[in-house]
Amino acid sequence: DAGITQSPRHKVTETGTPVTLRCHQTENHRYMYWYRQDPGHGLRLIHYSYGVKDTDKGEVSDGYSVSRSKTEDFLLTLESATSSQTSVYFCAIRGGSQNYEQYFGPGTRLTVT
Amino acid sequence: GDSVTQMEGPVTLSEEAFLTINCTYTATGYPSLFWYVQYPGEGLQLLLKATKADDKGSNKGFEATYRKETTSFHLEKGSVQVSDSAVYFCALNLGGGADGLTFGKGTHLIIQP
Repeated sequence: DAGITQSPRHKVTETGTPVTLRCHQTENHRYMYWYRQDPGHGLRLIHYSYGVKDTDKGEVSDGYSVSRSKTEDFLLTLESATSSQTSVYFCAIRGGSQNYEQYFGPGTRLTVT
Repeated sequence: GDSVTQMEGPVTLSEEAFLTINCTYTATGYPSLFWYVQYPGEGLQLLLKATKADDKGSNKGFEATYRKETTSFHLEKGSVQVSDSAVYFCALNLGGGADGLTFGKGTHLIIQP
């Protein structure tokens, strides 16, 4: 258990509304990640963070922004949700070893109607 | 760019059968390789890993060997159980900087009693 929680766990929202997903970790890990999981695509990286206020884009960053004002929290924001952003969102942290494995939170299922 | 290819399934086996899930990769350097497992309604759990050629990762009866010459990391188990039913993801990471994992699309495994 890497001490990762995500909130909310489920959310239904309407097209055009802003949505913020939260990832919280309790073990002071430097690196945090947001992925989305869609059938036929596996997991794809949205954004990642390598420290407080240090973030960068991943493979599928369009339509998403992130913020990290504290080590323990990494927020993912959909500024104006679209139906194509209906997905399951996973947060992850990178473990402390040199092997670069990542540990995942339980996920947030987001439905945009 | 880097990529991971794995059989998508579903793969259906009887209990106690031998399991192989193929995974091959393309990478510009020498990646670390991982297998993750996702049980229904849950997040991803790290199953096993290997960081250099000829390394064998193992856990819970599953094994995978890092084959640099064939760029492969096939997952095997000698005798599967119904409880092994899940989606299995092969992933790689080049280990530099804060880069995220590159995932295959996942293989849905169904074990019948």
